[in-house]
Amino acid sequence: QKEVEQDPGPLSVPEGAIVSLNCTYSNSAFQYFMWYRQYSRKGPELLMYTYSSGNKEDGRFTAQVDKSSKYISLFIRDSQPSDSATYLCAMSAGAAGNKLTFGGGTRVLVKP
Amino acid sequence: DTAVSQTPKYLVTQMGNDKSIKCEQNLGHDTMYWYKQDSKKFLKIMFSYNNKELIINETVPNRFSPKSPDKAHLNLHINSLELGDSAVYFCASSPTRAGTQYFGPGTRLLVL
Repeated sequence: QKEVEQDPGPLSVPEGAIVSLNCTYSNSAFQYFMWYRQYSRKGPELLMYTYSSGNKEDGRFTAQVDKSSKYISLFIRDSQPSDSATYLCAMSAGAAGNKLTFGGGTRVLVKP
Repeated sequence: DTAVSQTPKYLVTQMGNDKSIKCEQNLGHDTMYWYKQDSKKFLKIMFSYNNKELIINETVPNRFSPKSPDKAHLNLHINSLELGDSAVYFCASSPTRAGTQYFGPGTRLLVL
């Protein structure tokens, strides 16, 4: 079993819908949680960064961390076709510059 | 301006050959990383250097040897290439060991 589990999708939604993504993990030492977006044939791009439990909002993106359940989520409101990409969760036990453990990514398709 | 750049973007080679991938960052960051992304999109850390010093060395065959001539550059040399080395290799950098990581565009390696 992998340390970080993520449904590979694809997740297909109509434009304007809310996209809901999540990851589960097994290592209780993880304290730093990140979401990256990766377009096809490009490098991962950092979207959200959260420390410990709680919510964080940035524009159309909301990240939630529930350490008691070892579960993190990313919500994308008012989804656009340009949001079509693979979304990767990542986490580390130390600060964000330490070794990141990634989920396998969820492919999202937003249809116009 | 490219923040983290890698060369080459594509590399097709025969089994048994030796090849190098180069990475440069112009962000003034202290820490650099090499990741491997396999066909199932899992990103796995291989190495990390902080100010030219090796700080993370995951379980990677010793055919892979990183070299950091200065803190803006981190190269990856691979000896005796095998079919299983085919993947996308990403370089990343962070301001410090504790900073968030910024990824390069990747190098697609195909071993025939």
